[in-house]
Amino acid sequence: QVTLRESGPALVKPTQTLTLTCTFSGFSLTGEFCMSWIRQPPGKALEWLALLDWDDDKFYTSSLKTRLSISKDTSKNQVVLTMTNMDPVDTATYYCARTLSSTSAIFDLWGPGTLVTVSS
Amino acid sequence: DIQMTQSPSSLSASVGDRVTITCQASQDISNYLNWYQQKPGKAPSLLIYDASNVDSGVPSRFSGSGSGTDFTLTITSLQPEDIATYYCQHYASFPPTFGQGTKLEI
Repeated sequence: QVTLRESGPALVKPTQTLTLTCTFSGFSLTGEFCMSWIRQPPGKALEWLALLDWDDDKFYTSSLKTRLSISKDTSKNQVVLTMTNMDPVDTATYYCARTLSSTSAIFDLWGPGTLVTVSS
Repeated sequence: DIQMTQSPSSLSASVGDRVTITCQASQDISNYLNWYQQKPGKAPSLLIYDASNVDSGVPSRFSGSGSGTDFTLTITSLQPEDIATYYCQHYASFPPTFGQGTKLEI
């Protein structure tokens, strides 16, 4: 069965670093699929953040590139996103999404999402 | 970045209606265009990829068309379970970007 699930803190303080984990099953990131992180502020549209492909190449949205880092733990079937210097405008639901490839950014399977609120 | 503009932003229709949502790219994206459905409180799900290919398990009343800069999502014979927000997304270059969404109400 193919599944993805995001986990991480529901509340972070401004200036803190956010660490989110995507745990997946039923497929592989080694030569088969890639993984992306996408976020959605409450009531707003979707924003792609980062992609990790099977060669361990990493792609980031330019506006957040200095704050983002994406990595994987193949042995645990996990992909981790870190975002530094969190701000209230980063309050959003964060999704991990299976991605066909770095040249075909088709998000064919999504996790349920995790809501992160940034507040002191 | 390539900008994606959807219209309308919201739409009210009746069961059985034919519904059309449009998406315009700020530059030529060939057919590198996907459509997603997001039901209230849920994660998005893939409907259409490569502008016109219906994803597995998606009802046949959903179809997509277009190329270049202008694209269309069509729902023939609208059903109550189609209440959702629909997003287009390009992948012609990095970053992949989404439209602002079209909220469909019945």
